[in-house]
Amino acid sequence: GQQVMQIPQYQHVQEGEDFTTYCNSSTTLSNIQWYKQRPGGHPVFLIQLVKSGEVKKQKRLTFQFGEAKKNSSLHITATQTTDVGTYFCAAHHSGGSNYKLTFGKGTLLTVNP
Amino acid sequence: DADVTQTPRNRITKTGKRIMLECSQTKGHDRMYWYRQDPGLGLRLIYYSFDVKDINKGEISDGYSVSRQAQAKFSLSLESAIPNQTALYFCATSDRLVRDTQYFGPGTRLTVL
Repeated sequence: GQQVMQIPQYQHVQEGEDFTTYCNSSTTLSNIQWYKQRPGGHPVFLIQLVKSGEVKKQKRLTFQFGEAKKNSSLHITATQTTDVGTYFCAAHHSGGSNYKLTFGKGTLLTVNP
Repeated sequence: DADVTQTPRNRITKTGKRIMLECSQTKGHDRMYWYRQDPGLGLRLIYYSFDVKDINKGEISDGYSVSRQAQAKFSLSLESAIPNQTALYFCATSDRLVRDTQYFGPGTRLTVL
């Protein structure tokens, strides 16, 4: 089936360091969504990217969608302890079912204060 | 989101027992989903429903069944629970008009002994 590969699986940083997680697909994506799941919580929608090369920012978070629409990244500048959690990407693949999202396996971010 | 509720929140049961997990939503969305989450495996889709008369299998439907009793209610059943169904189960809803951004319930932690 169509997959979205997400790396790294884990990332531990010191507070104040930057963090990036990547999602990659071998096929073109129609759109990509990012979610955050706090420890013990449920995934919460952060943002959606649709256009080739799109960049969106939310405070210290920067989201990018690749020019070829096959990859995406989430970058956090100067991490804080409140950034702890698992970050998931999810995507619809072009040409396939445009209803069902495929989730990446997530990146667990831990932050040492 | 409080708009999506799941019951029970925690359940411990024994192998061979029948279990039903319930999901209700007040978001008015037509589309509802059941996912299971296991450490390191991300979110995997069990079943999804685009309206009351439309139910579809996801990637891991074996051993599970669902019922869409109304637009707002979607239940997941394990006819004969087995230990490898021990997991965190999430219900979600979406609106196709915003590319199926997922709104997750708080989750049900199920343990099968």
